[in-house]
Amino acid sequence: GDSVTQMEGPVTLSEEAFLTINCTYTATGYPSLFWYVQYPGEGLQLLLKATKADDKGSNKGFEATYRKETTSFHLEKGSVQVSDSAVYFCALSGRGTSYGKLTFGQGTILTVHP
Amino acid sequence: DVKVTQSSRYLVKRTGEKVFLECVQDMDHENMFWYRQDPGLGLRLIYFSYDVKMKEKGDIPEGYSVSREKKERFSLILESASTNQTSMYLCASSLGRQAYNQPQHFGDGTRLSIL
Repeated sequence: GDSVTQMEGPVTLSEEAFLTINCTYTATGYPSLFWYVQYPGEGLQLLLKATKADDKGSNKGFEATYRKETTSFHLEKGSVQVSDSAVYFCALSGRGTSYGKLTFGQGTILTVHP
Repeated sequence: DVKVTQSSRYLVKRTGEKVFLECVQDMDHENMFWYRQDPGLGLRLIYFSYDVKMKEKGDIPEGYSVSREKKERFSLILESASTNQTSMYLCASSLGRQAYNQPQHFGDGTRLSIL
């Protein structure tokens, strides 16, 4: 079945550092890929998405590129801020999946210090 | 903006009680989902619904049931609450058309404690 693997956390960075959170997936065919963010005490918000190979999703300075050859969708940001401290989830939706069901990674906790 | 509203942010119940968690969305979405979130396990799908009165089991349906009598409302029911159902519960909704491309929109969650 479909699966998503994220890098182990937690990740701790200083403000203005470069961020990478690795995400790899296993799926049949070409899934759609998503990054969600969960700020403390809140539900998940869509951060960005990509629906086909070589697409780049971007939002709020975050980027991720759909790499079919390496089955990866790594999240990057050039300069993190304290306000980026949150839990980040990588997810996929397979084209054969019923009704847009999502398969999530286990989440990566990011803490950014001033 | 899509608004998904869960009726309670925090809830404390006793073992054996029947517990209802309510979720309402305001964007006429066809699909609605219930997840539970536990540390180190990510989000796990309990049930989902793709239309009024239609439902399908997710990955961990045991001990739960759902109800969708109106398109905008999706209820999760714990038939007889147990301590291992203490968790954060998240509701989500999405459009039905080209569903695999559609993001899900989440509520703020209900933190449920079973004593």
